[in-house]
Amino acid sequence: TQLLEQSPQFLSIQEGENLTVYCNSSSVFSSLQWYRQEPGEGPVLLVTVVTGGEVKKLKRLTFQFGDARKDSSLHITAAQPGDTGLYLCAGVGPNFNKFYFGSGTKLNVKP
Amino acid sequence: DVKVTQSSRYLVKRTGEKVFLECVQDMDHENMFWYRQDPGLGLRLIYFSYDVKMKEKGDIPEGYSVSREKKERFSLILESASTNQTSMYLCASSLGRASFYEQYFGPGTRLTVT
Repeated sequence: TQLLEQSPQFLSIQEGENLTVYCNSSSVFSSLQWYRQEPGEGPVLLVTVVTGGEVKKLKRLTFQFGDARKDSSLHITAAQPGDTGLYLCAGVGPNFNKFYFGSGTKLNVKP
Repeated sequence: DVKVTQSSRYLVKRTGEKVFLECVQDMDHENMFWYRQDPGLGLRLIYFSYDVKMKEKGDIPEGYSVSREKKERFSLILESASTNQTSMYLCASSLGRASFYEQYFGPGTRLTVT
């Protein structure tokens, strides 16, 4: 059982569409991160959210941390083929002693 | 820019062989990690180290050992490779205890055990 559940597992959309991916848990996290991983490469950190209710924007990407610090979402506006990749959420447990990854959302943006 | 390098991108080994995977980071990070990544399972932590000669077990340490003799280098050892250890292996590093959770990854080693 994954501590962090991501949905959907797969998403295939056309260029220009909007999308939201979710990262949910029954546990509270000290912080949550989002990574993007391209084929044949390691994950690259996109953002860290620390405060419950926090919203961070990175160009067309908007990240939100739930008020209770148990969930997070990533919204992409006007998706582009360059957004294609595996999106992973990751969280630090409340005692700062362990780091957990979700299983990921595989996004394919078609031109 | 932080750079984390891994010794091989692709590796094919036979069952029973001893396998060494090496990871080097160039930013003087204290923490280093080894994960394996399998479809549908995400990244699972094998071992991590927060200092030279220190190591801690992650979630799936069985069949693996690690070595950290120098701060910049963290090695993963498969004592006797088995087919269920076929996977993508990712090394990561992070700055220190306070930044424990901000990890920088290498490109990965895809290991096939036949």
